[in-house]
Amino acid sequence: KAGVTQTPRYLIKTRGQQVTLSCSPISGHRSVSWYQQTPGQGLQFLFEYFSETQRNKGNFPGRFSGRQFSNSRSEMNVSTLELGDSALYLCASSPQAGAYEQYFGPGTRLTVT
Amino acid sequence: TQLLEQSPQFLSIQEGENLTVYCNSSSVFSSLQWYRQEPGEGPVLLVTVVTGGEVKKLKRLTFQFGDARKDSSLHITAAQPGDTGLYLCAGPKAAGNKLTFGGGTRVLVKP
Repeated sequence: KAGVTQTPRYLIKTRGQQVTLSCSPISGHRSVSWYQQTPGQGLQFLFEYFSETQRNKGNFPGRFSGRQFSNSRSEMNVSTLELGDSALYLCASSPQAGAYEQYFGPGTRLTVT
Repeated sequence: TQLLEQSPQFLSIQEGENLTVYCNSSSVFSSLQWYRQEPGEGPVLLVTVVTGGEVKKLKRLTFQFGDARKDSSLHITAAQPGDTGLYLCAGPKAAGNKLTFGGGTRVLVKP
């Protein structure tokens, strides 16, 4: 089976802009979770989608949003980018909803200047 | 304060030496997962421990879940440069809920 894919792998944006990141889960996996990883805060949960519904949300401002499509592919959007949003954004899929074993993609490295 | 505390934060050893990484919490976890992340990649699941006192072995890696299910350890025997990476423990914050990660232990194995 192909693994989790994320596009793009690298992105440079300017403060105030918005960005959309894409994730394709492992075939058959219906749960997609997003995480933000920074050197200072580590890996933090953003949100989880299961069957096109947001099932859980982490402690992030409303500028961070996401959605899931009927084919389980997911996108996350960050509006009005801030310098502190620079991070590695990881997508993970799982066959079941909830805190089950996660299969991660390689991540999208976002740099905000 | 993280729900899962990992120690040490950084470990640098020579090839062939042994090492142990710890993951501790004041809360009880129904299960704990261990991941390894290499530079430029996402974390890769190594193992899940579920039962208190459980010991699982994966080649030279030995994982243990504490009897009270509040802590876990990862022991690597005769470490190799390929073991270099960021080791993360993770557990469900509540039953069926989101996964919370420890801060990670960065391991460097020098040839």
